[in-house]
Amino acid sequence: EAGVTQFPSHSVIEKGQTVTLRCDPISGHDNLYWYRRVMGKEIKFLLHFVKESKQDESGMPNNRFLAERTGGTYSTLKVQPAELEDSGVYFCASSRLGAYNEQFFGPGTRLTVL
Amino acid sequence: ELKVEQNPLFLSMQEGKNYTIYCNYSTTSDRLYWYRQDPGKSLESLFVLLSNGAVKQEGRLMASLDTKARLSTLHITAAVHDLSATYFCAVDPDSGTYKYIFGTGTRLKVLA
Repeated sequence: EAGVTQFPSHSVIEKGQTVTLRCDPISGHDNLYWYRRVMGKEIKFLLHFVKESKQDESGMPNNRFLAERTGGTYSTLKVQPAELEDSGVYFCASSRLGAYNEQFFGPGTRLTVL
Repeated sequence: ELKVEQNPLFLSMQEGKNYTIYCNYSTTSDRLYWYRQDPGKSLESLFVLLSNGAVKQEGRLMASLDTKARLSTLHITAAVHDLSATYFCAVDPDSGTYKYIFGTGTRLKVLA
């Protein structure tokens, strides 16, 4: 079974540009999560999809961040326009519905905003 | 604010030694997860602890959960170099929101 995949693995952009991160969850996992780790800090929750619906987006920092999950499969996280403080590692995770919420993580996308 | 505190943040130990990583949390929860991360890699699930008194062991690692004390421990027995990694605990609060609250991570370095 393929794990959670994320693309790109690294992205370096300038302040004010737009970046789109992609996550492909494990097949059959209806729950999909985005997390972020800013350097030196803990990993923080951004949002949670159940299938194509946003279940909880309480961790999204501001309206420059837009997450979508079309058709309940892969998800994208767009940052527009990017700011310096958006730099960090963005993790995606997925889990099955009703399975004590064991989340399986992707390798992350390291975003650097210059 | 829900908090998960892990200590130590950094741990350098000799091969063959034992040590314990602690994970304290400030909310009610009976679900706690331990992950391992190697540099540039995914967070790998190590243990899923689902009830008070749960104890799980895999190789040289043993994890336990005390929900009354809001404490989980990850015990390392006779460390080997291959255990060098960053270890995270994560709590799934009883609020039913499904989001994890992570500890800061413990960077473990096992010296040969």
